[in-house]
Amino acid sequence: GAGVSQSPSNKVTEKGKDVELRCDPISGHTALYWYRQSLGQGLEFLIYFQGNSAPDKSGLPSDRFSAERTGGSVSTLTIQRTQQEDSAVYLCASSRTGLSGNTIYFGEGSWLTVV
Amino acid sequence: GEDVEQSLFLSVREGDSSVINCTYTDSSSTYLYWYKQEPGAGLQLLTYIFSNMDMKQDQRLTVLLNKKDKHLSLRIADTQTGDSAIYFCAESGIQGAQKLVFGQGTRLTINP
Repeated sequence: GAGVSQSPSNKVTEKGKDVELRCDPISGHTALYWYRQSLGQGLEFLIYFQGNSAPDKSGLPSDRFSAERTGGSVSTLTIQRTQQEDSAVYLCASSRTGLSGNTIYFGEGSWLTVV
Repeated sequence: GEDVEQSLFLSVREGDSSVINCTYTDSSSTYLYWYKQEPGAGLQLLTYIFSNMDMKQDQRLTVLLNKKDKHLSLRIADTQTGDSAIYFCAESGIQGAQKLVFGQGTRLTINP
């Protein structure tokens, strides 16, 4: 596609349920990032993929959060046993090879509400 | 650690210039970025500047970088109502690290 595509765009889930958020990066981009934007907060880095491997997952807030990427393309962010504080916009981004000399493009985000 | 600071709000009159300021702490940042976020939308890359540059101009946008003071600014000339948004400054973080560090964002409001 022309840009970074994320789904679902909106998700309301009950506390304790698991959710999966999907990201389809720009074709040919090897680097993929997940960020989180909570209400009134800035953007918080979660995890970075280069190809299928995740050399930096330092931003994942707890072991309830995990992410994978297959085929060097689509990535899934999974949140298990969701809590109300997980409510946020989850933004995915991609770049051609990584940050150095490459711009990073964001998707529209997945708006997650935990009730 | 890495930190990026921005003022939270800016209000300008339509037609005036807007100047959004940002300070950062990591002197090894290679690139500095400005992103725009309109209500309910994702982040749109506006422009970026390489750390060995002082200025970059792109139509109504001018980016100034003072590397000594670790200060970055975005000037929007002839501000229009469509410029109303939150503007995020970001740095590329510790050299070799593959993540952007963002400021809290500056909400720009345009008064008629």
